[in-house]
Amino acid sequence: ETGVTQSPTHLIKTRGQQVTLRCSSQSGHNTVSWYQQALGQGPQFIFQYYREEENGRGNFPPRFSGLQFPNYSSELNVNALELDDSALYLCASSFKGAINYGYTFGSGTRLTVV
Amino acid sequence: DQQVKQNSPSLSVQEGRISILNCDYTNSMFDYFLWYKKYPAEGPTFLISISSIKDKNEDGRFTVFLNKSAKHLSLHIVPSQPGDSAVYFCAASAIDYGGATNKLIFGTGTLLAVQP
Repeated sequence: ETGVTQSPTHLIKTRGQQVTLRCSSQSGHNTVSWYQQALGQGPQFIFQYYREEENGRGNFPPRFSGLQFPNYSSELNVNALELDDSALYLCASSFKGAINYGYTFGSGTRLTVV
Repeated sequence: DQQVKQNSPSLSVQEGRISILNCDYTNSMFDYFLWYKKYPAEGPTFLISISSIKDKNEDGRFTVFLNKSAKHLSLHIVPSQPGDSAVYFCAASAIDYGGATNKLIFGTGTLLAVQP
């Protein structure tokens, strides 16, 4: 059983640029959620994808968007990068409804915006 | 607003003793609570969960207690081991009926150091 894999592990971008982060979900999971973890903070919910559609969104602007593919993998896209977007981006997969088993998180992508 | 709070940024415990990590929440609509452990350069790892209809759940050395009237939960680790040293996050699950999403709302974490 493979876990959640994220790529790239580290990334440096310039303010105003666009970035795409990728996530492969754990085998058997059909739901992918993305979280942003700023330094010294807990992860904050960005959005969730189920059946290739956005299924809930946190307090993030529209320049944060995503996709889920038929194999349940997912992308997070961020346009017009700002310095405050520097953070660890975590992808988590789960089987919808099985909250009591928790989510399986990837190791994250560390994004630095300069 | 911070709906899930972990007021202790750090905790130091001797090996073999009990570690107690605390978490408070404000939203009475939360229906599940979870604890995650995070090592540096790794993603959070699920430890244990508890439904809002229960007051205790146990899994090996880990026990979570829920006090709904006080909106408080705690994670007990007995006995503590040096390998338990990590950041521990408390999280709560809220079903957003608009989106039917089991999103997790996390606290800011507590750094546990277990001294040999």
